[in-house]
Amino acid sequence: KQEVTQIPAALSVPEGENLVLNCSFTDSAIYNLQWFRQDPGKGLTSLLLIQSSQREQTSGRLNASLDKSSGRSTLYIAASQPGDSATYLCAVIRGETSGSRLTFGEGTQLTVNP
Amino acid sequence: GAVVSQHPSWVICKSGTSVKIECRSLDFQATTMFWYRQFPKQSLMLMATSNEGSKATYEQGVEKDKFLINHASLTLSTLTVTSAHPEDSSFYICSARVGWRTPSTDTQYFGPGTRLTVL
Repeated sequence: KQEVTQIPAALSVPEGENLVLNCSFTDSAIYNLQWFRQDPGKGLTSLLLIQSSQREQTSGRLNASLDKSSGRSTLYIAASQPGDSATYLCAVIRGETSGSRLTFGEGTQLTVNP
Repeated sequence: GAVVSQHPSWVICKSGTSVKIECRSLDFQATTMFWYRQFPKQSLMLMATSNEGSKATYEQGVEKDKFLINHASLTLSTLTVTSAHPEDSSFYICSARVGWRTPSTDTQYFGPGTRLTVL
């Protein structure tokens, strides 16, 4: 059974800092990994999707890396801003036979202080 | 971009009543929709996978008779919580997948969620 773990559970940083969020998964046979942002009481916004054949994806100040062999992914946020405050979730698609079923980690709650 | 809506955004009901939640893909056709439940401070847990025109596939531990899912069209899936109880109070989120993409490259588009409170 695939398990996804995110560390740390919560993180508070001053504005402008660069930070790294970690995600690990137990079964390396994944099809892709996706990072989401969730604001309080809201749905999910997809940030980055990394296919299993890729090692990283970048979008603006965000960079996500994937190391399938070690079962890890990181989300790097450069020059953090108060608007980045949210919960960040990583999720993996477990495999072809499971279609698009995502397994989520429990998230990292990020607070960026002005 | 692809937009998924949910209705209602929040609902309060009495114990024992049934509640229907709608999930719509507004500008694309979704052959597959997913229903998730999220308790406070916890992550999303997949409840069921809904395929248009066929019966939903429920995850282990999810009561199919309690959580009725109907995916009657390519743009609409509904989740009905029957005989709701306070322990069913949660945040319910749906997502939709564009049908023509492959699982390895596709992405799911998530609705804004529905907050259910059962008194």
